[in-house]
Amino acid sequence: NAGVTQTPKFRVLKTGQSMTLLCAQDMNHEYMYWYRQDPGMGLRLIHYSVGEGTTAKGEVPDGYNVSRLKKQNFLLGLESAAPSQTSVYFCASRPGQGESQPQHFGDGTRLSIL
Amino acid sequence: GQNIDQPTEMTATEGAIVQINCTYQTSGFNGLFWYQQHAGEAPTFLSYNVLDGLEEKGRFSSFLSRSKGYSYLLLKELQMKDSASYLCAVRDKDYKLSFGAGTTVTVRA
Repeated sequence: NAGVTQTPKFRVLKTGQSMTLLCAQDMNHEYMYWYRQDPGMGLRLIHYSVGEGTTAKGEVPDGYNVSRLKKQNFLLGLESAAPSQTSVYFCASRPGQGESQPQHFGDGTRLSIL
Repeated sequence: GQNIDQPTEMTATEGAIVQINCTYQTSGFNGLFWYQQHAGEAPTFLSYNVLDGLEEKGRFSSFLSRSKGYSYLLLKELQMKDSASYLCAVRDKDYKLSFGAGTTVTVRA
C-alpha cells in the first residue's frame, strides 16, 4: 500500500517554463489537496478537490491550475513558472467520511524556479 | 479564515516534558489536528480534537478548549527522535485545514 505518491520528487525550472506535478493515491480517498510549504509560513492550501471531476480554490491559487479526471489522481500545473513559486509542494488526501479521519500526505516535490 | 499562532522554537532535554501551545481565531471550527514533520519529510498525523478536553496517545497528549481558541500538544519522556517540527492545524466546515507555521522542537541529550 503506497499511500500518497508524488512525482517528481525534485525539479528545477527556468522562469516561464511549464510543468505538471502528479499526485496519486491508492486509498480510494474522495478528498485531495495541494499545499505549498515555505520557510516560516507553514503549509498553505493551493487548490483542493472533494471528488472526481471537482476542483476548488484554496488560499493561494494564483499561478496554478489543477485537474481531477480520475479519483486516484490530482494534477497541479504551473503554466508559466515564476521564482516566487519556488517551494516544497505537498499533496494530501482523506476519506470522504469519518470526522476524525486525518489528511495523509505525500513525501513532497521540491521545486526550484531560476 | 483562520489565524493560528504557535511558538517558533522550543528546546528540551531528553526524558523531559514539553508543551506546545496553539491559539486560533476561526470562522467555522470543525476540529483541530496536530502533525509531526521531520526535516525533509512529509507531515504525519499525531492527534485530533473536536470536543473540549484531553486526548492521550502514549507519550503524546493533546488538549482543546474551544471557548478559548486554545490547544496544546504535550510530549512526555522526550526522545531524540522527537526532534521535529510540530504543526497545529484547524479544520473548517468544508474540511479544509489551515496550518500554523509550526514549532521546531530540539531535544538535547
